[in-house]
Parts: sequence; structure tokens; C-alpha cells
Amino acid sequence: DAGITQSPRYKITETGRQVTLMCHQTWSHSYMFWYRQDLGHGLRLIYYSAAADITDKGEVPDGYVVSRSKTENFPLTLESATRSQTSVYFCASSESVGSEKLFFGSGTQLSVL
Amino acid sequence: GQNIDQPTEMTATEGAIVQINCTYQTSGFNGLFWYQQHAGEAPTFLSYNVLDGLEEKGRFSSFLSRSKGYSYLLLKELQMKDSASYLCAVWANDYKLSFGAGTTVTVRA
Repeated sequence: DAGITQSPRYKITETGRQVTLMCHQTWSHSYMFWYRQDLGHGLRLIYYSAAADITDKGEVPDGYVVSRSKTENFPLTLESATRSQTSVYFCASSESVGSEKLFFGSGTQLSVL
Repeated sequence: GQNIDQPTEMTATEGAIVQINCTYQTSGFNGLFWYQQHAGEAPTFLSYNVLDGLEEKGRFSSFLSRSKGYSYLLLKELQMKDSASYLCAVWANDYKLSFGAGTTVTVRA
């Protein structure tokens, strides 16, 4: 199906482990984003990408790494997971910025024990 | 940074009207969005305002006053399926979409 998909849907890991969350979109949107959502904080931007091989930090980038070798994929890696990274992670994409709406993936619920 | 404020919770009766306010202080402004998010699901787009005034779309309307840094989302003829979180978001000068914490609306029978 066309759209934006995230995997896995649920993930449980332990502190110190490396975890990669996957995001794939079929619209060829230039812009892709990673947000985390926590109670009381709403959606906070972790990283975004304007095109393949162009990425930039958002509001809460510490402890995360991203890459974008292909337009359609934007994986998010937690290099050494911590309990504070327990959250729901949403990937999103848009054609452009400033006036275009974001399309969100279904989210990944990550628990770090 | 960006500061976007909206109430945490609101409760209303089926068939009634509810107005969700959003105030923002951002470094620049390129547009304001409202998203709906049902529990356990992804946010979905509701409305977009870039000019002052009211945008109406069926039972939902959104208003913007750029000079006051203020917007509201008006939900009319409330239905049980409208129980959800409503997120106010602003495109500022840094071209990143910043979100408020969301308003949880509960519709009672």
C-alpha cells in the first residue's frame, strides 16, 4: 500500500542496547521528520531531513542518530538506549515546508527497561 | 524556541459545540495547523490557517488572528467519535512544525 509505514509497531529493549526504528514512504516526499510523543509534552521534533543526505537536528536530538541515503527511507537509531527514551515515535513526511501538511506513520511504541 | 499553549482537557455533551483555544509565541509564522489524534493512533490533518479569519470545513472550523498569536478550533454538533486529542501546530521561521501539548476532548452521551 502507498503511504508512510513504520516498523516495528512495538519494541521492548534494555538500557544500553542499540535500536533502529524504520520509516518508509512511497510518495517521494522531500521532507521527512522524526517526532517523539510523551504525556505532557506533545510531539517534539528529534531530527528532520530536507532531502537524501541532508539531515538536521530538531528540538531533542541527543542520543539519536539518523541517516537518509534514499529519499524513501529515514531510519532513526538510538545508539545506547536509556529509560528516558521510552516513548512513542512518529515518522512523518511532507512535500515541502511552511505550508504543507505532514503525513504521519502509525508510530512505534518503544519501551526501554 | 517556540511556545504553543492549549488547554489540557475539555469535556462536552454529544450534539454540543466546543471551542479549543491555542495561543502561540514563535520566531516567525508561516501557518498554523490543527491535527486530530485518536488514542493509540497517528495524528491526522484537520485544518490549515495562514491568513486571519475563519476557515470552515463541515462541522469543524478554525480561526486565526496573527496579530494576537491566537487560534481556535470549533467543533460543532459533537459526536462520540470526536473524542480525541486535538493538536495545535505552528510553522515558524525555522520551517519546523512545532506542536502544542494537545487538548483531550471527551464527548459524553
